[in-house]
Amino acid sequence: DAGVTQSPTHLIKTRGQHVTLRCSPISGHKSVSWYQQVLGQGPQFIFQYYEKEERGRGNFPDRFSARQFPNYSSELNVNALLLGDSALYLCASSVTGNSPLHFGNGTRLTVT
Amino acid sequence: GQQLNQSPQSMFIQEGEDVSMNCTSSSIFNTWLWYKQDPGEGPVLLIALYKAGELTSNGRLTAQFGITRKDSFLNISASIPSDVGIYFCAGQMRNNQGGKLIFGQGTELSVKP
Repeated sequence: DAGVTQSPTHLIKTRGQHVTLRCSPISGHKSVSWYQQVLGQGPQFIFQYYEKEERGRGNFPDRFSARQFPNYSSELNVNALLLGDSALYLCASSVTGNSPLHFGNGTRLTVT
Repeated sequence: GQQLNQSPQSMFIQEGEDVSMNCTSSSIFNTWLWYKQDPGEGPVLLIALYKAGELTSNGRLTAQFGITRKDSFLNISASIPSDVGIYFCAGQMRNNQGGKLIFGQGTELSVKP
């Protein structure tokens, strides 16, 4: 069975640019969450979506936005990129909004 | 951002030794989870705990949900080289708004053959 898939795996952007990261959940999972992991730290919660509705938002600026599509896949968008946005962005899916999360392998974003 | 206090930060052990790591919080959680992350990969779920006092095993791994609901422990028995990686605890407060995870800083485990 396919796990959580994320694309692209790596991305290099310049300050001020925009980026879109994509995530496909495990089949049957209706909730998708996004986390940011800076080197040497644990993942930090950005967003959670369940049944296409936003169910939670972490302490991130409005430059970060996300959405979930009818097929339960999701996109994370980041505008006006800053150097500090360089991180591993992890997508996780779960059966419901309260079930244990299963993570993808992430998108490594580098902002120069 | 908010994080749990996880210790130790790193461990260097000999193959065959047992390992213990723990996680504490000032907040109460109703679920504790333990993940392992290998380089270049996402965290993989090892154990999920749902009830205060619960003790759960997964092979050589055993984890406990603290009675106060503010802490959790993970033990690995008879370590092997493939146990190498970073172990994260995570607390989850499940409610009708969903259940975001709060992660610890991680424990980096090195196993010497």
